[in-house]
Amino acid sequence: DAKTTQPNSMESNEEEPVHLPCNHSTISGTDYIHWYRQLPSQGPEYVIHGLTSNVNNRMASLAIAEDRKSSTLILHRATLRDAAVYYCILRDRSDKIIFGKGTRLHILP
Amino acid sequence: GAGVSQSPSNKVTEKGKDVELRCDPISGHTALYWYRQSLGQGLEFLIYFQGNSAPDKSGLPSDRFSAERTGGSVSTLTIQRTQQEDSAVYLCASSLTGRLNTEAFFGQGTRLTVV
Repeated sequence: DAKTTQPNSMESNEEEPVHLPCNHSTISGTDYIHWYRQLPSQGPEYVIHGLTSNVNNRMASLAIAEDRKSSTLILHRATLRDAAVYYCILRDRSDKIIFGKGTRLHILP
Repeated sequence: GAGVSQSPSNKVTEKGKDVELRCDPISGHTALYWYRQSLGQGLEFLIYFQGNSAPDKSGLPSDRFSAERTGGSVSTLTIQRTQQEDSAVYLCASSLTGRLNTEAFFGQGTRLTVV
C-alpha cells in the first residue's frame, strides 16, 4: 500500500487559515490523494480529493505539488468545529482505503 | 435513510460469546468497507467488498472474524468467541464504486465492549 507521512499534531488559531501538510514520496502516477477527517466520537467524513491539479470545494482546498510527492490541505478560516484528526490517504490499485495515523488539529479560540 | 446505517450502536457482550454487527450501506453503493478503531487509535482496515468480486479479507485479524454481504447490499460482520481485545468501535463505509476517485461515506459505528 502507498504510504503517507503527516505531523502528529498541529495547532491553529480560530478564524485563521490552516495548512495541513502530507508527504507521499512513493506516489505512483495513478494514485489519487484523498483527505478525510474524523471529528470527536464520529465516523470519518470525506473532505476532498485530487490527482494532479489543485482542487477546491466548500470545505477546503487541496494543493498538490508539481512532482506530486506532497500535498497540503488548506482550511481557509478555521473554526472550533474543525478540530479533528485529518487523514491524508493515497488510493492505489488495491482499491481498499488504508488510514494512517493522521494529524490531530487543535483550534485555539 | 440517506446515510450508512449501523446497528446496534452499542453492544456489550460476555467473553466467549458470538456477536453480529450490521451495516446498511447507501442504496446503490457497490463498495463496502469494514474498519475497527480501538480507543485512541487509528482506523484498522478489516475487509472490503466490491460488487460481485471476491472480498478483500486481508485485514481480518483472526479466523474468529468473518463478514458477509448479501445481495450486494446489507453486510454483517461476525465475531466468534469474543475476546476482551475485540473491544472497539467497528465502522462501516460505502462508496458508489470502488474507483479511486470515489468518496466513501461512513456510518456512526458500533461500539463493542467485551466483558
